[in-house]
Amino acid sequence: EDQVTQSPEALRLQEGESSSLNCSYTVSGLRGLFWYRQDPGKGPEFLFTLYSAGEEKEKERLKATLTKKESFLHITAPKPEDSATYLCAVRGEGAQKLVFGQGTRLTINP
Amino acid sequence: SAVISQKPSRDICQRGTSLTIQCQVDSQVTMMFWYRQQPGQSLTLIATANQGSEATYESGFVIDKFPISRPNLTFSTLTVSNMSPEDSSIYLCSSSGGSYNEQFFGPGTRLTVL
Repeated sequence: EDQVTQSPEALRLQEGESSSLNCSYTVSGLRGLFWYRQDPGKGPEFLFTLYSAGEEKEKERLKATLTKKESFLHITAPKPEDSATYLCAVRGEGAQKLVFGQGTRLTINP
Repeated sequence: SAVISQKPSRDICQRGTSLTIQCQVDSQVTMMFWYRQQPGQSLTLIATANQGSEATYESGFVIDKFPISRPNLTFSTLTVSNMSPEDSSIYLCSSSGGSYNEQFFGPGTRLTVL
């Protein structure tokens, strides 16, 4: 069964303090690892898709990387507006559904 | 990217009643999905809804409790039947089909059952 584990559950940083969020996964034939951002009271917002080990994607202060067992979401010099819950999900071979992790609740203090 | 709307955005219901949630996509999509997000938790897939066929339910979810309709390529409904307080959750609709085959999500329906 496909599984996704995210750590830490919650992370509090000062503005400008860079850090990384972890997403560990087990899946039968990875067909995509997805990162989403979710603000309180809203649906998840798509950020990145990664398909193969070694792949990297960047968007503003965020960079996602992928290995055969985990993905990292690096946040560089974060701002308070980056505060949100970040969700990781995987799609396995032959599947259309996504399996989500529990999320990391990120808080950036000014 | 697809733009998805849901109605209602929130509701408070009495135990034993049913609520139907509507999901509208601004373009034709093959697959639509219904998720549940319980307080403080992540997303759990309820079912996959394809136009012209019966919905496919995940383990732990049954059609009698969560009947789904998919009358066309832009619209779906999820009914939460015979509700109990344990059904209090956010219900999210999504569709697939972006450049990376990602899923796009609606804003969610926050349901409280008293």
